[in-house]
Amino acid sequence: QKEVEQNSGPLSVPEGAIASLNCTYSDRGSQSFFWYRQYSGKSPELIMSIYSNGDKEDGRFTAQLNKASQYVSLLIRDSQPSDSATYLCAVHSGGYQKVTFGTGTKLQVIP
Amino acid sequence: DAGVIQSPRHEVTEMGQEVTLRCKPISGHDYLFWYRQTMMRGLELLIYFNNNVPIDDSGMPEDRFSAKMPNASFSTLKIQPSEPRDSAVYFCASSGEPGVPYEQYFGPGTRLTVT
Repeated sequence: QKEVEQNSGPLSVPEGAIASLNCTYSDRGSQSFFWYRQYSGKSPELIMSIYSNGDKEDGRFTAQLNKASQYVSLLIRDSQPSDSATYLCAVHSGGYQKVTFGTGTKLQVIP
Repeated sequence: DAGVIQSPRHEVTEMGQEVTLRCKPISGHDYLFWYRQTMMRGLELLIYFNNNVPIDDSGMPEDRFSAKMPNASFSTLKIQPSEPRDSAVYFCASSGEPGVPYEQYFGPGTRLTVT
């Protein structure tokens, strides 16, 4: 079982719709969760961090965490073509500052 | 701050040659990470340092790979001898921002092609 799992996609949504990206993790003791956005040919860019159960909103982005279900998601409201990228979920499970990355979900926003 | 700096941005070399990748972390960060990314394997952690000391090198694929961090502002990843299967994008990242633990910031990467 992979430590951090994501559907590779591609996930296609029309412009203006809500994109929902999901991630599950195996270590129940995980405490810190991150979403990175990676455009083609570029490096991963941190866009959201979440540490507590519930929702965290930042502009058009909302991260949702459910530790009981070992599930973290990223919602992108009013999706734009510029949101088209691969979204990586990352989880920190204690100890040093190493995090484990999922393989990413490719999002395509169709104009 | 200029962010994490990596050089070179692109490297093309022949099999058997030595390759050295360089990284300057964000000033004040005390963790530095080296990753490799390929289509097949995704983002793989190779090694990471805390306060210039290697903490975990279990991701280094084999003895041909070595990494050093002689001071807080510089690290190298060396491949000797290089092989075509080493072709990938190599990222350096740093973390340790006060108040926001575990948030890693990536450099632009080095695209390595071994022919």
